[in-house]
Amino acid sequence: DTAVSQTPKYLVTQMGNDKSIKCEQNLGHDTMYWYKQDSKKFLKIMFSYNNKELIINETVPNRFSPKSPDKAHLNLHINSLELGDSAVYFCASSQGTGDGLDGYTFGSGTRLTVV
Amino acid sequence: QKEVEQDPGPLSVPEGAIVSLNCTYSNSAFQYFMWYRQYSRKGPELLMYTYSSGNKEDGRFTAQVDKSSKYISLFIRDSQPSDSATYLCAPYNQAGTALIFGKGTTLSVSS
Repeated sequence: DTAVSQTPKYLVTQMGNDKSIKCEQNLGHDTMYWYKQDSKKFLKIMFSYNNKELIINETVPNRFSPKSPDKAHLNLHINSLELGDSAVYFCASSQGTGDGLDGYTFGSGTRLTVV
Repeated sequence: QKEVEQDPGPLSVPEGAIVSLNCTYSNSAFQYFMWYRQYSRKGPELLMYTYSSGNKEDGRFTAQVDKSSKYISLFIRDSQPSDSATYLCAPYNQAGTALIFGKGTTLSVSS
């Protein structure tokens, strides 16, 4: 019954590797997001998709590439992982065209550790 | 100046205390002011929001906005150990943009 589910929950990998994080929502929401939360708990927007279309693309290294095969799924692929990529990555979804007033529903996060 | 500033704490209070959590923001175009709560190792969840200036009450929680000073507050009355979490403020402007969060204030309520 999980509304927004992310896999994997934990990811430990070596520098230089390529990894993917998957996100799925069963709420029927139109908009999905990727946020990065660093060690100081600062939650920063990375990307947003509305009905499979990229609508927000913040200043993020192009090693990060989001993909949305349909409006219920948003994946994040990271190439050539660096130590600074270690963080918790949260997927979220919201109704409508990103109208935050309905509230975002967040997943439980993927804790990425690059060693 | 960052768009949203929030004292990270940690803030430790005894059970039953009144807690005040605060944020300042720089963009005067913000009209909606959200508060999210994040428990340890969980994603944030929407607690409440207010529109423009004024107060909004929801049970033990009161959100207050002063647009003239760009200051947002969340008050928790009769705090409980279950309120122990990180509270993030998120001022919001318009559809098509994403929420911008403050760094969050970590609250610990001891019984």
